[in-house]
Amino acid sequence: GDSVTQMEGPVTLSEEAFLTINCTYTATGYPSLFWYVQYPGEGLQLLLKATKADDKGSNKGFEATYRKETTSFHLEKGSVQVSDSAVYFCALSDGAGGADGLTFGKGTHLIIQP
Amino acid sequence: DTGVSQNPRHKITKRGQNVTFRCDPISEHNRLYWYRQTLGQGPEFLTYFQNEAQLEKSRLLSDRFSAERPKGSFSTLEIQRTEQGDSAMYLCASSPGSFGNTIYFGEGSWLTVV
Repeated sequence: GDSVTQMEGPVTLSEEAFLTINCTYTATGYPSLFWYVQYPGEGLQLLLKATKADDKGSNKGFEATYRKETTSFHLEKGSVQVSDSAVYFCALSDGAGGADGLTFGKGTHLIIQP
Repeated sequence: DTGVSQNPRHKITKRGQNVTFRCDPISEHNRLYWYRQTLGQGPEFLTYFQNEAQLEKSRLLSDRFSAERPKGSFSTLEIQRTEQGDSAMYLCASSPGSFGNTIYFGEGSWLTVV
């Protein structure tokens, strides 16, 4: 079945550091890939997405490129801020069985220190 | 723009009691999803509706769980004879319905079974 693997947390960085959160996936067909963010006490918010190979999703300074050859969708940001502290989830949707429900990774807790 | 609304946000119940959660999706979204999230894990798919039809149910959805969407608008998730293992956050989400469309999440309903 489908699965998403992302790096274990917590990841602790200083403000303005470069961020990479690794994500790899296993899926049938050609999935769409997503990064969701969950701030403390809030629900999941879509951060960015990519629907086909070599697409780059971007939002709020975050980027991720859909790499079919390595089945990866790593999240990057050039200079993190304290306000980026949250839990980040990588997810995929492959439309299996007619549903476009999401399969999530376990999440990576990001802590940015001033 | 009202997002996905869930209530109650928090529920504490004794083992063996029944609980019901309500979800109001984004207006005119014809797909509605329920997920469950436990601490330290990513959300897990439970079930989804296309309008009023429940089209897919996860193996996670035991016989004690039932979901309805009677008029294709709001949905309810009922858990009968709750067990301590049911303690989790129950997330509702909705989408316009086409493959690859963004799925929007509510803030979730926390259930604690004591």
